[in-house]
Amino acid sequence: DSGVTQTPKHLITATGQRVTLRCSPRSGDLSVYWYQQSLDQGLQFLIQYYNGEERAKGNILERFSAQQFPDLHSELNLSSLELGDSALYFCASTRTPDFGKNIQYFGAGTRLSVL
Amino acid sequence: SQKIEQNSEALNIQEGKTATLTCNYTNYSPAYLQWYRQDPGRGPVFLLLIRENEKEKRKERLKVTFDTTLKQSLFHITASQPADSATYLCALAGGNNDMRFGAGTRLTVKP
Repeated sequence: DSGVTQTPKHLITATGQRVTLRCSPRSGDLSVYWYQQSLDQGLQFLIQYYNGEERAKGNILERFSAQQFPDLHSELNLSSLELGDSALYFCASTRTPDFGKNIQYFGAGTRLSVL
Repeated sequence: SQKIEQNSEALNIQEGKTATLTCNYTNYSPAYLQWYRQDPGRGPVFLLLIRENEKEKRKERLKVTFDTTLKQSLFHITASQPADSATYLCALAGGNNDMRFGAGTRLTVKP
């Protein structure tokens, strides 16, 4: 168990809808990362938050947004969903915000199916 | 554009042999390179980290090398076991303030 909790495990919705994915980092970790993993794209970095502030942005679509709350949990909001958004969404956490030198602890993921 | 390539989508080996996985990159100067293991339907799990000024790192049956001239990392699992069957991902982090993952190599160790 990595200590990172993601909910829900599965989400099935329709095109055009909006969903929210939730992530609770490991105790003591201040930085949260969101990734998208689809069959044809591999694991793609979306966005990073550190102590409530956006720290780095990757390949995140404008239809997607995220935030990190004072209790350090994070939410990823996906709107105007398209079929191509169907994927596994992972959250990871680290103690400090530095990429690469930290071990990232990943949650079990949320599987999103857009029908 | 920046590219990370892992040698093959799938690698099948016999139990007891050494598995060697390759991660090549172009147009990138990573300061850190990490290897993760991912089982089906689960999140990646960290295995090893190597810095750009390190040539080799070992942990139990695992060994990783990092050649910044060749722009390549090799990941070895010695005395492989069926329990080592999984997808292995390499990840690069550098000055771009992001982390990029390869597509992964699916390793199957047959008894």
